[in-house]
Amino acid sequence: SQQGEEDPQALSIQEGENATMNCSYKTSINNLQWYRQNSGRGLVHLILIRSNEREKHSGRLRVTLDTSKKSSSLLITASRAADTASYFCATDGTTGRRALTFGSGTRLQVQP
Amino acid sequence: NAGVTQTPKFQVLKTGQSMTLQCAQDMNHEYMSWYRQDPGMGLRLIHYSVGAGITDQGEVPNGYNVSRSTTEDFPLRLLSAAPSQTSVYFCASSSTRPGTGVDYGYTFGSGTRLTVV
Repeated sequence: SQQGEEDPQALSIQEGENATMNCSYKTSINNLQWYRQNSGRGLVHLILIRSNEREKHSGRLRVTLDTSKKSSSLLITASRAADTASYFCATDGTTGRRALTFGSGTRLQVQP
Repeated sequence: NAGVTQTPKFQVLKTGQSMTLQCAQDMNHEYMSWYRQDPGMGLRLIHYSVGAGITDQGEVPNGYNVSRSTTEDFPLRLLSAAPSQTSVYFCASSSTRPGTGVDYGYTFGSGTRLTVV
């Protein structure tokens, strides 16, 4: 079964706007990661946040983690048409397992 | 570096046939894993390995076998293909920074699109 749900399932915004995606998970984790998948392609790692961290930045990406609520959010600022993709959160280290457990994903469409 | 290499990229099987999906990484990563992605869904874990000679089951292991005889290779075997195994398969690898316990993100292969008829 999936680790949790992502919200929203689909998001359409204009270029230059910010995009926020949320992710919930069910069990304790080592870390939480976000991935991007362009249509028909493999997954690309974006950012990793450890369970003892609350916020992390990388370029136009900002990730937050609330372990008490078992939730995370990904913010993409000043979006570009090239950001159009599906975004997945994934947890690592669930129940000691060294592999990823994925959420259901958010499809982001950035209109030029 | 090539990263994670998956072969073949596309495959059509008949029901009941067996085959092996290949996965190789050249980054000396200790963790490797296989996932399947069905249309419009996230990825589900099939099997994973934390090092050579060590494998374990994920969420959807039935109908698949794995082995890890070397650090580099982690093949996935379909024992008797069924239409329900039609999917895109991804292999991924990762590691932990030595001496720190800090984890890296996973590197994914480009996937194998499998159709079982």
